Amino acid sequence: EDQVTQSPEALRLQEGESSSLNCSYTVSGLRGLFWYRQDPGKGPEFLFTLYSAGEEKEKERLKATLTKKESFLHITAPKPEDSATYLCAVQGESVDYKLSFGAGTTVTVRA
Amino acid sequence: NAGVTQTPKFQVLKTGQSMTLQCAQDMNHEYMSWYRQDPGMGLRLIHYSVGAGITDQGEVPNGYNVSRSTTEDFPLRLLSAAPSQTSVYFCASSLRQGAYNEQFFGPGTRLTVL
Repeated sequence: EDQVTQSPEALRLQEGESSSLNCSYTVSGLRGLFWYRQDPGKGPEFLFTLYSAGEEKEKERLKATLTKKESFLHITAPKPEDSATYLCAVQGESVDYKLSFGAGTTVTVRA
Repeated sequence: NAGVTQTPKFQVLKTGQSMTLQCAQDMNHEYMSWYRQDPGMGLRLIHYSVGAGITDQGEVPNGYNVSRSTTEDFPLRLLSAAPSQTSVYFCASSLRQGAYNEQFFGPGTRLTVL
């Protein structure tokens, strides 16, 4: 069964203090690894899809990287508006094409 | 485009009551799904549909029914609510199934079963 573990559970940063979030996964046949952002009371918002080890994608202050066992979401010089819960999910070879989600990392950026 | 819409936003039920959570999308997406989100756990797939008239079970289907009579709508029915179904429910859609298709999520329905 596909499994996703995210760490840390919570991260408190000072504005401008760069850091990384970890997503470790086990999956039978990775179709894709996804990063989502979720604000309180809202649905997940798509950020990135990574398909193979070595791949990297960037969006503003966020950069996602992928290895065969884990993915990192790097936040460079964060701002208070980057405060959110970041969810990692994998899609394996299951027939239902489900996304298997981690529990998330809640990031709080203080001004 | 409104994207993925869900109603109601909040609902309180008593044990044994039934209700339907509504989900609609206006992007002509083939693939639609329902997830539930519980504290400390990742979102879990309840049911999914790859097109009108086609539905199937996900990871945690017990106590829920779905139907897909049109491309746009994918309602989730709770037949006899139980406290274990207290959760936040999200509907999602994508153009087709598969990792190359971004999944768009609705705003969620927060359900409490007393």
